[in-house]
Amino acid sequence: AQSVTQLDSQVPVFEEAPVELRCNYSSSVSVYLFWYVQYPNQGLQLLLKYLSGSTLVKGINGFEAEFNKSQTSFHLRKPSVHISDTAEYFCAVSYQGGKLIFGQGTELSVKP
Amino acid sequence: GAGVSQSPSNKVTEKGKDVELRCDPISGHTALYWYRQSLGQGLEFLIYFQGNSAPDKSGLPSDRFSAERTGGSVSTLTIQRTQQEDSAVYLCASSRRQGGETQYFGPGTRLLVL
Repeated sequence: AQSVTQLDSQVPVFEEAPVELRCNYSSSVSVYLFWYVQYPNQGLQLLLKYLSGSTLVKGINGFEAEFNKSQTSFHLRKPSVHISDTAEYFCAVSYQGGKLIFGQGTELSVKP
Repeated sequence: GAGVSQSPSNKVTEKGKDVELRCDPISGHTALYWYRQSLGQGLEFLIYFQGNSAPDKSGLPSDRFSAERTGGSVSTLTIQRTQQEDSAVYLCASSRRQGGETQYFGPGTRLLVL
């Protein structure tokens, strides 16, 4: 079955520290990969996506992610986080067609 | 220019009642999706419409759930004989077309079944 695994349900980190949110997916075919963010009491917003080409993808707010086909991973990184990055982050995969399969989400909590 | 809109924003209903949730996609977007977000199940795909093609209903949890999209624009998700486990936030998204296009999400309808 197609699935997405976000390995950490909660990630606490201090302000200005680097962070990595991990995501693995199951597939043997081409995929499109996405990271969405949900700020408290707000809707889902696209951070970045990988469709093809360069495996390093840059998104909004200083986030980037690297597609690794051999490890079926799409980890999200930011070199220095801010308080305002506190939110829930969702990794999602689209296999063939439009529907997204989401991971369970990672709650990023940035502390001063 | 407006984003995806959904109504109502909140809905409280009694077990056994029917509810209708509405989604207005971004103008010109041919693909429309419904998802459900709940504490126990995370974000789940329910159904999607692409142009005039038959909808993909593979995510609907039971035959109490149905959806339609009229005129290729507005969509209504209907839940018949609601149950307490239907309580969740129902999200609608639209995209220009399928296949890797960014899906833009609405604010959701928070449904509480008492």
